[in-house]
Amino acid sequence: DIQMTQSPSSLSASVGDRVTITCRASQSINSYLNWYQQKPGEAPKLLIYATYRLQSGVPSRFSGSGSGTDFSLTINSLQFEDFATYYCQQSYRTSYTFGQGTKLEIK
Amino acid sequence: QVQLVDSGGGLVKPGGSLRLSCAASGFSFGDYDMSWIRQAPGKGLEWVSSISRSGSSIVYTDSVNGRFTISRDNAKKSLFLQMDSLRAEDTAVYYCARGRYYYDSGGYNKFDYWGQGTQVAVSS
Repeated sequence: DIQMTQSPSSLSASVGDRVTITCRASQSINSYLNWYQQKPGEAPKLLIYATYRLQSGVPSRFSGSGSGTDFSLTINSLQFEDFATYYCQQSYRTSYTFGQGTKLEIK
Repeated sequence: QVQLVDSGGGLVKPGGSLRLSCAASGFSFGDYDMSWIRQAPGKGLEWVSSISRSGSSIVYTDSVNGRFTISRDNAKKSLFLQMDSLRAEDTAVYYCARGRYYYDSGGYNKFDYWGQGTQVAVSS
């Protein structure tokens, strides 16, 4: 299976900050990388698919980049509602593995 | 609007069985692959199984292969997960999720809509 490793595991930031979360695959996954946001007690929500494509309805302060094995999610000008846990996921090959998650907390 | 409603979870003893259901509405169910994804208490997300739009292609994660069976009824817009020989480590919230759209020229495989989840607890 392809392993997905996110860093950091947790992150403290303030409203208005810019944050970046990284995700590394154990082998090349081309651009088959998705990002999800999950808040406590809720189902995950798709933010970005195929590395950089913004899902409909997602604010433009979210952006994604990368290729091959190294990817990143950037959130510009953090809003209160952005404090959540973020997961990357490879869709290159089954099983469609997720990263372990990055918990974004208010500083 | 797109809606997925998960049901069927509960408390079961090790070795027991459960059948999860996911009722879909607001989209052309038969045009999409569908999946089950689970989340153990306090843990991350784990993909469990996927089924193609016709049901002809099915894949499972290794830990459930041979114990779980995914299926779908396109006429009833429903997805199912039959879980047999349940183990304590199967305890999790189970989500159904919509996957790849058959007619998408890009072929993007993404879980763009999720059910609310149904809790499965395996304990004696």
